[in-house]
Amino acid sequence: DTGVSQDPRHKITKRGQNVTFRCDPISEHNRLYWYRQTLGQGPEFLTYFQNEAQLEKSRLLSDRFSAERPKGSFSTLEIQRTEQGDSAMYLCASSNSVNTGELFFGEGSRLTVL
Amino acid sequence: GDSVTQMEGPVTLSEEAFLTINCTYTATGYPSLFWYVQYPGEGLQLLLKATKADDKGSNKGFEATYRKETTSFHLEKGSVQVSDSAVYFCALISNGNQFYFGTGTSLTVIP
Repeated sequence: DTGVSQDPRHKITKRGQNVTFRCDPISEHNRLYWYRQTLGQGPEFLTYFQNEAQLEKSRLLSDRFSAERPKGSFSTLEIQRTEQGDSAMYLCASSNSVNTGELFFGEGSRLTVL
Repeated sequence: GDSVTQMEGPVTLSEEAFLTINCTYTATGYPSLFWYVQYPGEGLQLLLKATKADDKGSNKGFEATYRKETTSFHLEKGSVQVSDSAVYFCALISNGNQFYFGTGTSLTVIP
């Protein structure tokens, strides 16, 4: 399968711990997005990469959040000192620059902060 | 700023009923408009799109027309099936590279 994959699918952690999520986009896609989705809401934009460059960050992305895409392939999203309000589904999506109208989403990584 | 407002759910319909899910938008510039669908246990996937005014997007029997005068992109299907049960998200992309999504409308189709 060559779709977008995310790992882990579910993470339960205690408040104050650090967590890291990984996203492997579709191999030929140069754009990668992170979104956050809470219950009953649509996906909220967090950040966006074109190749290895992080081109845009939402104001939602506090300094406890950091994302990288070191070689322009997979990406990681780290949350430091987690808070209960960080509990959400973290979605990764990729696209290519030729057809920016279609995002290909992974199934998401669900974070539960106790 | 850019935003999307869509009809709140949940929506429950009988099989073969007509479906409309309303979506209106606010955008600077000339947005492209989308409907994404999320089936149970799956990731979001593109259902249809329209890139300019008066364009009609269509797929799997669903249609939506980009109406600039009413800033709307309502989703319609003439005869829904049980397999259409899912959450539907209206979305737009405007001048930047951010997609803005609505809150989603849950549809359940009963046989």
